[in-house]
Amino acid sequence: GENVEQHPSTLSVQEGDSAVIKCTYSDSASNYFPWYKQELGKGPQLIIDIRSNVGEKKDQRIAVTLNKTAKHFSLHITETQPEDSAVYFCAASRGILTGGGNKLTFGTGTQLKVEL
Amino acid sequence: DTAVSQTPKYLVTQMGNDKSIKCEQNLGHDTMYWYKQDSKKFLKIMFSYNNKELIINETVPNRFSPKSPDKAHLNLHINSLELGDSAVYFCASSHLNDNEQFFGPGTRLTVL
Repeated sequence: GENVEQHPSTLSVQEGDSAVIKCTYSDSASNYFPWYKQELGKGPQLIIDIRSNVGEKKDQRIAVTLNKTAKHFSLHITETQPEDSAVYFCAASRGILTGGGNKLTFGTGTQLKVEL
Repeated sequence: DTAVSQTPKYLVTQMGNDKSIKCEQNLGHDTMYWYKQDSKKFLKIMFSYNNKELIINETVPNRFSPKSPDKAHLNLHINSLELGDSAVYFCASSHLNDNEQFFGPGTRLTVL
């Protein structure tokens, strides 16, 4: 089955700096890679995703890059703000299953702390 | 508010008891999921239902039984609770042919 590794487990940056979180996956058939943000006491929330036919995607201060050959993808947050402090999860899947639904395999999470 | 909701938010119970967690979504989705997040925050899928039919069933003890009365609800019943069942359980939903999953706020289960 799929295995997703995520690094670092904790990341502390100064406000305004950039933050980068990296993930690697094992299943070459995976074609969908979302990133979720989980704030304390809440459920994960999708912040950006990328499909395997795209190398990079950007949404305001957040960007994701994908290297299919190396089987790794990264989350980049620029101009970090205190409200970016949360746990971030990467995930991978083979996309929509026969019969419906999408089986996500999550990374182990990165606790991001943005300090003033 | 359109969302995925779960009840209860907190559940404290004794070993050996049976308990249920309820999930409802009003997003018009037809696929629903249960995830378990352990104390190290590792998030793992348990089950998925599409239109009341089971489509994903990971290696979960048969003490866990999901039930979907309709496509807007997916409940999780747990029999003979064990200490290791303590975790946060998240419900999620999506459209049949859409990758994006929307998560509920979670239910923190503590087994004493």
